[in-house]
Amino acid sequence: AQSVSQHNHHVILSEAASLELGCNYSYGGTVNLFWYVQYPGQHLQLLLKYFSGDPLVKGIKGFEAEFIKSKFSFNLRKPSVQWSDTAEYFCAVNARGATNKLIFGTGTLLAVQP
Amino acid sequence: SQTIHQWPATLVQPVGSPLSLECTVEGTSNPNLYWYRQAAGRGLQLLFYSVGIGQISSEVPQNLSASRPQDRQFILSSKKLLLSDSGFYLCAWSSKGNQPQHFGDGTRLSIL
Repeated sequence: AQSVSQHNHHVILSEAASLELGCNYSYGGTVNLFWYVQYPGQHLQLLLKYFSGDPLVKGIKGFEAEFIKSKFSFNLRKPSVQWSDTAEYFCAVNARGATNKLIFGTGTLLAVQP
Repeated sequence: SQTIHQWPATLVQPVGSPLSLECTVEGTSNPNLYWYRQAAGRGLQLLFYSVGIGQISSEVPQNLSASRPQDRQFILSSKKLLLSDSGFYLCAWSSKGNQPQHFGDGTRLSIL
């Protein structure tokens, strides 16, 4: 069965610090990978996605993620975080197919201190 | 542009009462539709998905059911709520194929 692991459940950083959130998945076939973000009081929204091609993908608000197939990983990075990045971040995977079912990680709550 | 609406935003219900949460999508046709439950520290769990009218797939055995009476309408129901049904329920839609899902604002359901 597919699963997604996010190892950091709660991260606290100061503004301007660099961020890396880990995401590992287990699935033997071809996958699509996503990072979603949920800002306080807002709905879940797509941050970035990887379908194919360049394994380093750029998302909104200066975020990027790198797909490393050999490590089954899709870590999220940002060189310099801002207070407005305080949110919960979810990694998600789906196996390529018609139903587009997403398997989510448990989420990482990021708090950025001004 | 496409929009997704979910209501109500919050709901408090007694144990044993029925439930009906509604989700509608505008600006697209023949979407895939999904119901998730989000629990603190446990991420989002897919409950149901639908690829067309009247087509419902259940992911986990539970006290809930889903229906899709119209192309862009997805309803989450229960005949008798349990305490364990408390949680945050999210509806989502996507285009066909492996496209990103777009989420509604969610319904906070509290069972007393």
